[in-house]
Amino acid sequence: AQSVTQLGSHVSVSEGALVLLRCNYSSSVPPYLFWYVQYPNQGLQLLLKYTSAATLVKGINGFEAEFKKSETSFHLTKPSAHMSDAAEYFCAAKGAGNNRKLIWGLGTSLAVNP
Amino acid sequence: DGGITQSPKYLFRKEGQNVTLSCEQNLNHDAMYWYRQDPGQGLRLIYYSQIVNDFQKGDIAEGYSVSREKKESFPLTVTSAQKNPTAFYLCASSISTVGGANVLTFGAGSRLTVL
Repeated sequence: AQSVTQLGSHVSVSEGALVLLRCNYSSSVPPYLFWYVQYPNQGLQLLLKYTSAATLVKGINGFEAEFKKSETSFHLTKPSAHMSDAAEYFCAAKGAGNNRKLIWGLGTSLAVNP
Repeated sequence: DGGITQSPKYLFRKEGQNVTLSCEQNLNHDAMYWYRQDPGQGLRLIYYSQIVNDFQKGDIAEGYSVSREKKESFPLTVTSAQKNPTAFYLCASSISTVGGANVLTFGAGSRLTVL
């Protein structure tokens, strides 16, 4: 069965430091991949998505993610963290064809310290 | 502006009571979803609907019911059969559920607390 693993349920960085949130998926077929962000007591919003057009995907708020098939990874990065980046981040995967449901990771809570 | 409206944002319920959470979208999306979110457990799919008058059980449908009488609306009823209903409930919609990298648009959520 397809699964998504986010390494690290909590990540803490200093303001201005690199943000790296890890996501690995298990699938024999490269899926569609997504990163969503959730601010406290709010719904989720899309940061970026991979659809096989390009392995390096740029999203909103300066985030980007790189699809690495050999590592089955889709890690999220941002060169310089801002206080406003503190939130919960979710990685999700969706198979091609008739596999209609998104498979979600458990989320990573990002804290940004001044 | 197009979006998804969930109401109420906060809801308290006594044990044994049914409660209905509202979800309305004006995005003209065919597909709608209900997720439950608990700390450390990510998002779990309760029900989804691909078209009016049709819906499918998700991974944790027991104790919940839905209807899809209108394209814009997908209310969720948390019944007394749901043993642990206290959670954050999220409604979402997408253009469709079939194939593609369809992006989900989420509402702001409803937090249900059972007293």
